[in-house]
Amino acid sequence: AQSVTQLGSHVSVSEGALVLLRCNYSSSVPPYLFWYVQYPNQGLQLLLKYTTGATLVKGINGFEAEFKKSETSFHLTKPSAHMSDAAEYFCAVSGKSGGSNYKLTFGKGTLLTVNP
Amino acid sequence: GAGVSQSPSNKVTEKGKDVELRCDPISGHTALYWYRQSLGQGLEFLIYFQGNSAPDKSGLPSDRFSAERTGGSVSTLTIQRTQQEDSAVYLCASSQGPAQAKNIQYFGAGTRLSVL
Repeated sequence: AQSVTQLGSHVSVSEGALVLLRCNYSSSVPPYLFWYVQYPNQGLQLLLKYTTGATLVKGINGFEAEFKKSETSFHLTKPSAHMSDAAEYFCAVSGKSGGSNYKLTFGKGTLLTVNP
Repeated sequence: GAGVSQSPSNKVTEKGKDVELRCDPISGHTALYWYRQSLGQGLEFLIYFQGNSAPDKSGLPSDRFSAERTGGSVSTLTIQRTQQEDSAVYLCASSQGPAQAKNIQYFGAGTRLSVL
């Protein structure tokens, strides 16, 4: 079974500072990996995804994430935080094959606060 | 419409009543998913529909939960004899084609269900 661990339920940064949101997964084979963002009272929006190929993935709004198989990690970063980045961020995985490869398994989420 | 539409956005009901939640997927999307987002459990997969195939109901928490998808488009999630632990945000998502992890799941804003 797959699982996702997001370290830190709440991360607070200053505007302009580096954003680092941590995600580790547990899976028998490397899964597909996703980061979603949720703004208040809205649904989830895909930030970026890793399926195959280059392990450094760039997404929307200046975010990027790097798949590190040896560390089973997929941490999300942004060089300079903006006030508009304040939201909840979810890491998710799905399998590459098998009968349930469409199911997303989510982490518990990390609430990002950006201070002026 | 341009995105996944869910109605109602908020639903307050009394314990023991039945509720119906509606999801309109993105036009042309053949795959439809329901997830539940609750404080204690995070985001959980509930059910998956793909075309005319039998749905994957493996995530439904009890037999009080059921869902249908009419005409391969609109879906309704029904909760019978609601309990307080059913209080959560119910999210619907759709994706473009057959179940593949590469297909991006687009989420609606959700229905916030409160059971008193």
